[in-house]
Amino acid sequence: LAKTTQPISMDSYEGQEVNITCSHNNIATNDYITWYQQFPSQGPRFIIQGYKTKVTNEVASLFIPADRKSSTLSLPRVSLSDTAVYYCLVVLYSSASKIIFGSGTRLSIRP
Amino acid sequence: SAVISQKPSRDICQRGTSLTIQCQVDSQVTMMFWYRQQPGQSLTLIATANQGSEATYESGFVIDKFPISRPNLTFSTLTVSNMSPEDSSIYLCSVESLAGTGELFFGEGSRLTVL
Repeated sequence: LAKTTQPISMDSYEGQEVNITCSHNNIATNDYITWYQQFPSQGPRFIIQGYKTKVTNEVASLFIPADRKSSTLSLPRVSLSDTAVYYCLVVLYSSASKIIFGSGTRLSIRP
Repeated sequence: SAVISQKPSRDICQRGTSLTIQCQVDSQVTMMFWYRQQPGQSLTLIATANQGSEATYESGFVIDKFPISRPNLTFSTLTVSNMSPEDSSIYLCSVESLAGTGELFFGEGSRLTVL
């Protein structure tokens, strides 16, 4: 499974756009890029998943360049409630077996 | 989506004892996953539990220490045996999305403190 690398922590302010970049140099053809969000004392929650180019939902956007060796999670106009740990994962689509979590990025939003 | 309930939500245990964590899902699922999250750390996959077969354990985890049951398609248990303070962690149950996208749904976790 492709290993992912992302910043350990990031800080931002309310109302700002936050971009978290993840590198996955060894991503395979059938792998998808998936992001999870985890609040304290809760299990991780799926945010977004993509294969290439751009994916957008009501929570975030995911940008994936043509070589797919990296991806960027974009959170528009963050609020204090976006303070959480964000995990970038590379997973084989249609299979949740052996999903490995990396270290994650601890995002802190300040007033 | 899937709704996952875990019991207990938290417990304080004595060294040398064992504790069984229960995981109940509101739909039938093929695979259930057990993760451990040590304080301030990421999640580590302990094992995959399929109904009707023995669980598959990841490197560093053994059945004698973490026996798992999977009696039906909606329920599983994880036992943490002969606990030591190093076992103090959050234990999370997870299931795969029925949509077949590889998405995981997690329970709220069971926070164990071993004294």
